[in-house]
Amino acid sequence: AQSVTQLDSQVPVFEEAPVELRCNYSSSVSVYLFWYVQYPNQGLQLLLKYLSGSTLVESINGFEAEFNKSQTSFHLRKPSVHISDTAEYFCAVASGAGSYQLTFGKGTKLSVIP
Amino acid sequence: EAGVAQSPRYKIIEKRQSVAFWCNPISGHATLYWYQQILGQGPKLLIQFQNNGVVDDSQLPKDRFSAERLKGVDSTLKIQPAKLEDSAVYLCASSYGRTDTQYFGPGTRLTVL
Repeated sequence: AQSVTQLDSQVPVFEEAPVELRCNYSSSVSVYLFWYVQYPNQGLQLLLKYLSGSTLVESINGFEAEFNKSQTSFHLRKPSVHISDTAEYFCAVASGAGSYQLTFGKGTKLSVIP
Repeated sequence: EAGVAQSPRYKIIEKRQSVAFWCNPISGHATLYWYQQILGQGPKLLIQFQNNGVVDDSQLPKDRFSAERLKGVDSTLKIQPAKLEDSAVYLCASSYGRTDTQYFGPGTRLTVL
């Protein structure tokens, strides 16, 4: 069985400050890792994913996440946040067993303060 | 490209009543998922379809929940009878194949009184 822990349920941060949203996972097999974002009153959108290769993955809007196998982590970072980044962020894991069945964390609400 | 469509967006019912949700996936997507997202938690997979066949329904409470995807396109999720603890957002997602990115619909928010 696999599980995801998002340690922070809410993260307030001032605009233009850096942010890190933490995600730890547990799985007995090789994993694929995802970050999804949910803006207010919208559906979940894929932000970035790690499948294989480089352990550092980036999104088009400046977020990045690094897969750390030894620490079983996939933390999400952005060096300078914008008001428009206010949303809920979900980390998810899928086992590499021929299907991307996702197990989600409980989510982290990022609030960017002007 | 049109996204995943769901209806209704909101539904309020009383306990013991029945309710049904509808999902239209992205055209060409063979894999369809239903998730339940209870307030304060992440989405939990209920059922996964590959075309019109069920791949995994191990977390579907089959005594009250049912789902079908008869022609391998649209899908319906039904709850009969509803309980208070079924209050949640029900999300539909689709992907081209079983190992492709999932795209989510806006969800149906169910309130059971």
